Amino acid sequence: EPEVTQTPSHQVTQMGQEVILRCVPISNHLYFYWYRQILGQKVEFLVSFYNNEISEKSEIFDDQFSVERPDGSNFTLKIRSTKLEDSAMYFCASSESSGRAEQYFGPGTRLTVT
Amino acid sequence: GENVEQHPSTLSVQEGDSAVIKCTYSDSASNYFPWYKQELGKGPQLIIDIRSNVGEKKDQRIAVTLNKTAKHFSLHITETQPEDSAVYFCAATTSGGSYIPTFGRGTSLIVHP
Repeated sequence: EPEVTQTPSHQVTQMGQEVILRCVPISNHLYFYWYRQILGQKVEFLVSFYNNEISEKSEIFDDQFSVERPDGSNFTLKIRSTKLEDSAMYFCASSESSGRAEQYFGPGTRLTVT
Repeated sequence: GENVEQHPSTLSVQEGDSAVIKCTYSDSASNYFPWYKQELGKGPQLIIDIRSNVGEKKDQRIAVTLNKTAKHFSLHITETQPEDSAVYFCAATTSGGSYIPTFGRGTSLIVHP
């Protein structure tokens, strides 16, 4: 069964450093998403991406964040200068279409900022 | 924006018992309500969903009910099994945007054998 994959599973970085989290969505999906989950808190939407551009973003997704689809398979989330409060689990998801179509989530990347 | 509250945060049951998880939402425009199951080390997985034109939906041991007037919806698991142990999230989406879900805080369900 096709699945969303994410690498790395755990990333430790120092405050102020740049990190890139990588995702490989399901191959025939067209819509891609990033979510984060701070320990013990809700899963929060960050950004959605379609047709090589951002379709929607939340207030969390400020200028420190960017997304890219550098090739036909990878979908990346970059945090330019990490802060302690960026420590969280980051989930990538993909869906065949927007709206009510099922979103398939990856296993997540745990980001720890020290 | 939408706000989703979920209760309880932890639910412990004996194998074979039923489990009920309840959620409320604030935006009356919300019309799609998915439920996700998250097992340890994995991402959330959609297990059942309900749309606003339906009051109840069932899939084997799992059922979801929706009361639009009261703005609450519930997940019911019957004949629970140890493999049902996981964190369950409810979510709500609004009709005006691209259906990005607003999640509840999650319920940790523990099924004791």
